[in-house]
Amino acid sequence: QQQVKQSPQSLIVQKGGISIINCAYENTAFDYFPWYQQFPGKGPALLIAIRPDVSEKKEGRFTISFNKSAKQFSLHIMDSQPGDSATYFCAASMDSNYQLIWGAGTKLIIKP
Amino acid sequence: ETGVTQSPTHLIKTRGQQVTLRCSSQSGHNTVSWYQQALGQGPQFIFQYYREEENGRGNFPPRFSGLQFPNYSSELNVNALELDDSALYLCASSQDRRTDTQYFGPGTRLTVL
Repeated sequence: QQQVKQSPQSLIVQKGGISIINCAYENTAFDYFPWYQQFPGKGPALLIAIRPDVSEKKEGRFTISFNKSAKQFSLHIMDSQPGDSATYFCAASMDSNYQLIWGAGTKLIIKP
Repeated sequence: ETGVTQSPTHLIKTRGQQVTLRCSSQSGHNTVSWYQQALGQGPQFIFQYYREEENGRGNFPPRFSGLQFPNYSSELNVNALELDDSALYLCASSQDRRTDTQYFGPGTRLTVL
């Protein structure tokens, strides 16, 4: 019940295209869903986050879509750029402890 | 504003040894969380410290222990190192234990031979 399942494991997108990464969770007590971006040799950096009271959140080229009934959420990167090439992690936590439960990560490559 | 820093950057130990990793939290943050990230995987929560006390622990054995100091910096200690302990150890700080956003340091890469 604590798992967060992320797909795909890897993704190749042409420059200017849309990158889509999906996550699914089981525990309905989760109420905070962040996405982190990690470059090689660096720690994860918060990209964007959402709570279940909204179905979509947009920040620049990054959008989270959230489907509470399906227990799924996704990250969309519009107009993908080579600089977006990184590993992306979804995560979830509960209000009670803020312990982040992480997906396995998606390695995104943007081809110029 | 100074970000989260960790030391050392890299460390090589042999099986059975003990190791101490250090983390300085971001200015104004009183909560520190530690994560273990094996190669090609997502981070796994080890434990969290809030105002010098442990505030939650993941599924890690007691040989993983921690400490938080009055200035909110923190240490992660691992005793009796095993080969499977080889990983990137990440420290994250947050403004308060009830705050969503965690800011991560660059990590310490531990190799156990």
